Amino acid sequence: DAGVTQSPTHLIKTRGQHVTLRCSPISGHKSVSWYQQVLGQGPQFIFQYYEKEERGRGNFPDRFSARQFPNYSSELNVNALLLGDSALYLCASSLGAGIQETQYFGPGTRLLVL
Amino acid sequence: GEDVEQSLFLSVREGDSSVINCTYTDSSSTYLYWYKQEPGAGLQLLTYIFSNMDMKQDQRLTVLLNKKDKHLSLRIADTQTGDSAIYFCAERTYSGNTPLVFGKGTRLSVIA
Repeated sequence: DAGVTQSPTHLIKTRGQHVTLRCSPISGHKSVSWYQQVLGQGPQFIFQYYEKEERGRGNFPDRFSARQFPNYSSELNVNALLLGDSALYLCASSLGAGIQETQYFGPGTRLLVL
Repeated sequence: GEDVEQSLFLSVREGDSSVINCTYTDSSSTYLYWYKQEPGAGLQLLTYIFSNMDMKQDQRLTVLLNKKDKHLSLRIADTQTGDSAIYFCAERTYSGNTPLVFGKGTRLSVIA
């Protein structure tokens, strides 16, 4: 079975631009979470979606937004990119949104903002 | 508040045991996880422990939980060069949105 997939794998943007990252969860999983991992740090929570509804949001500015589609795939959008947005963006999927649901991570999208 | 602390580096010889330590501050932590990240890759779930357990063993991996001291450890027996990676401890609690809260990771280097 395919695991969590993310696209693109790498991306280079310039300051002020907009970016869209995509995630397809494991088949049967209905929840998707997004994390940002800056070099040398652990992942930081951005969003969680379950059944197309936002279930949680981390401490990120409004430039960050996301949505989940009827097929449970998800997009993360970042507007007005800053140099500090350079990071590995990780998507995780789980069967549900509850605390007992284990999250499985994709390979990530590496974003570089110049 | 939530905070997870880990030592940043660990170096061991091939065949020895590795012990990676983690401390957490949230007393309501319910699930505690260990993830492995190889260079340029995403996170691979290794194991997890529920907070009503003291120990969990899975092949070469042993997780020990000391709830009184809020201390979690991951022991890797017979460490191999393929175990070289960054290991993240993460907690998940009964809060509104139940995200994973990660430490900064421990870089394990295995010397042949």
